[in-house]
Amino acid sequence: AVQMTQSPSSLSASVGDRVTITCRASQDIRSDLGWYQQRPGEAPKLLIFATSILQTGVPSRFSGSGSGTDFTLTVSSLQPEDFATYYCVQNYNYPRTFGQGTKVEIK
Amino acid sequence: HEQLQVSGPGLVRPSETLSLTCTVSGDSFSNYYWSWIRQSPEKGLEWIGYIFHDGRTKYNPTLESRVSMTVDPSENQFSLRLTSVIAADTGVYYCAKEVGCDSRGCWTFDPWGQGTQVIVS
Repeated sequence: AVQMTQSPSSLSASVGDRVTITCRASQDIRSDLGWYQQRPGEAPKLLIFATSILQTGVPSRFSGSGSGTDFTLTVSSLQPEDFATYYCVQNYNYPRTFGQGTKVEIK
Repeated sequence: HEQLQVSGPGLVRPSETLSLTCTVSGDSFSNYYWSWIRQSPEKGLEWIGYIFHDGRTKYNPTLESRVSMTVDPSENQFSLRLTSVIAADTGVYYCAKEVGCDSRGCWTFDPWGQGTQVIVS
């Protein structure tokens, strides 16, 4: 199975900060990567698919980039509702595998 | 846009069988793949498997010996059975649409059901 490694596992940031989260795959997964946001007590919500395409309704402050094995999720200006945990998932092959998550906390 | 609702017991005894059902409403059930995913503090998010509306399945190899999924298109429902459960099977179980597509491309796992906590004890 493809191993997905996220970094950092947690970070502290302030409203308005630019935040970057990294996801690394153990093998080439082309651009077959998605990013999810999960708030406490809620199901994960799809933010970005195919590395860089925003799901409908997702604010444009979110962006994704990368290809092959290295991928990045960026929040250009952190808003109060963005404090949550973020996960990457590869949909290149089966079994689908997730990163371990990055918790974004208020500084 | 679909809505998914998970139902089933929240407490299962060790060695017994976990059974959950996901009901899909709001859009077409047929011609899509439907997944089960679980989450625990120890293992994080773990894909369990998917089922197609015609009953075809694919399971995570780590769980394949204990997992089975069924589908009832007439009720817009699909179900999960996990046998011989142990404490490590404790977690929140989600159902989700496996694949969706539009003119921009295809995505995985959207939307999700609300999830249900299952405790093995």
